[in-house]
Amino acid sequence: EVQLVESGGGLVQPGGSLRLSCAASGFTFSSYWMSWVRRAPGKGLEWVANIKHDGSEKYYVDSVKGRFTISRDNAKNSLSLQMNSLRAEDTAVYYCACGLGGPDYWGQGALVTVSS
Amino acid sequence: SYELTQPPSVSVSPGRTARITCSGEAFPKTYAYWYQQKSGQAPVLVIYEDTKRPSGIPERFSGSSSGTMATLTISGAQVEDEADYYCYSTDSSGNSVFGGGTKLTVL
Repeated sequence: EVQLVESGGGLVQPGGSLRLSCAASGFTFSSYWMSWVRRAPGKGLEWVANIKHDGSEKYYVDSVKGRFTISRDNAKNSLSLQMNSLRAEDTAVYYCACGLGGPDYWGQGALVTVSS
Repeated sequence: SYELTQPPSVSVSPGRTARITCSGEAFPKTYAYWYQQKSGQAPVLVIYEDTKRPSGIPERFSGSSSGTMATLTISGAQVEDEADYYCYSTDSSGNSVFGGGTKLTVL
């Protein structure tokens, strides 16, 4: 059974940093694209970033370029999202997802709140 | 930047057919994916690669694509199908995007 478990969410002040992690199990992690997707309060799903199975390609939505970094450790079956210079508009539930094309399986999400 | 356009809301009576559209200029060069998200839950994939249904998804869910439009069809909608539905695709640069979402009401 595919399992994706996010951790690292919480409350952070504007301008601060936070690192999200995603522990994966139940599938061959090194064969899958991994993604971060968020849903802000009252808004729809927004793709944030994804990374190729071997880490050789990374893509970001324009609003987080230069502030967020996606990375993976295939030896540890883990995915990370380093978030710097956080803004109020980054407040959202952040989901980790995996897939061969689009996201097939999703974690339950981690809440990130950016507020003073 | 690449955009996918969905209607904000669709209403259907139980047992009738609901259709949710997704317009994107990259179709048909790229695939459409469809996700269902119920309140307080993680999204669930209901259609991938335009027309394919994952195991465990009821047969009443189907997908199609023609020109620059992808469509999710729910034949014989049930009350439990009430949720937000999102289409998803990628552009030629490798960037991904979700549509704005469609709230399906079954009543």
